[in-house]
Amino acid sequence: GQQLNQSPQSMFIQEGEDVSMNCTSSSIFNTWLWYKQDPGEGPVLLIALYKAGELTSNGRLTAQFGITRKDSFLNISASIPSDVGIYFCAGQLTGFQKLVFGTGTRLLVSP
Amino acid sequence: DVKVTQSSRYLVKRTGEKVFLECVQDMDHENMFWYRQDPGLGLRLIYFSYDVKMKEKGDIPEGYSVSREKKERFSLILESASTNQTSMYLCASSFDNYGYTFGSGTRLTVV
Repeated sequence: GQQLNQSPQSMFIQEGEDVSMNCTSSSIFNTWLWYKQDPGEGPVLLIALYKAGELTSNGRLTAQFGITRKDSFLNISASIPSDVGIYFCAGQLTGFQKLVFGTGTRLLVSP
Repeated sequence: DVKVTQSSRYLVKRTGEKVFLECVQDMDHENMFWYRQDPGLGLRLIYFSYDVKMKEKGDIPEGYSVSREKKERFSLILESASTNQTSMYLCASSFDNYGYTFGSGTRLTVV
């Protein structure tokens, strides 16, 4: 099945650093979503983007829906240890209920 | 608070057993999904359902079946468990284009 190209695969950073990850696709999407999965838990929705060019923030998190509709990025500012986890991007086409997921970015934060 | 509840967090079964993984959502969502998650492979869709008694194969349906007799409940069945079905299983539900809500996952070990 289709998967989105998500990079980087993993990141190991110091507490306080900013983090950036992105997701690209060969197909266009009408919705981009970013999820975080804590160790041993299911993914939880962080940010949803519904319009090309849209920039949305949720606390220290900022995500953008690319103008081409084929990409999205997520930034985390001033990282803290509880940011540890796997971050997934997902794309969705209007009228199609299935999400297409990225392969995930594993984030480790050193205190 | 809306919820997707998976009946077991951890499960250990023997090879050849028939295994039932249960998922219940309280959000009156039409769509329900079963994924498995393995290191390095991301989230892979097993089966999904758009309505009661309706099911469609995902990307990796072999060795699995599903049942949706009621709107709120979506069951994943491993007809004859094998060791290569040891994995984290995630259930999700959704309404229209508003993304998925995931359960906490069931970590299944087949010995």
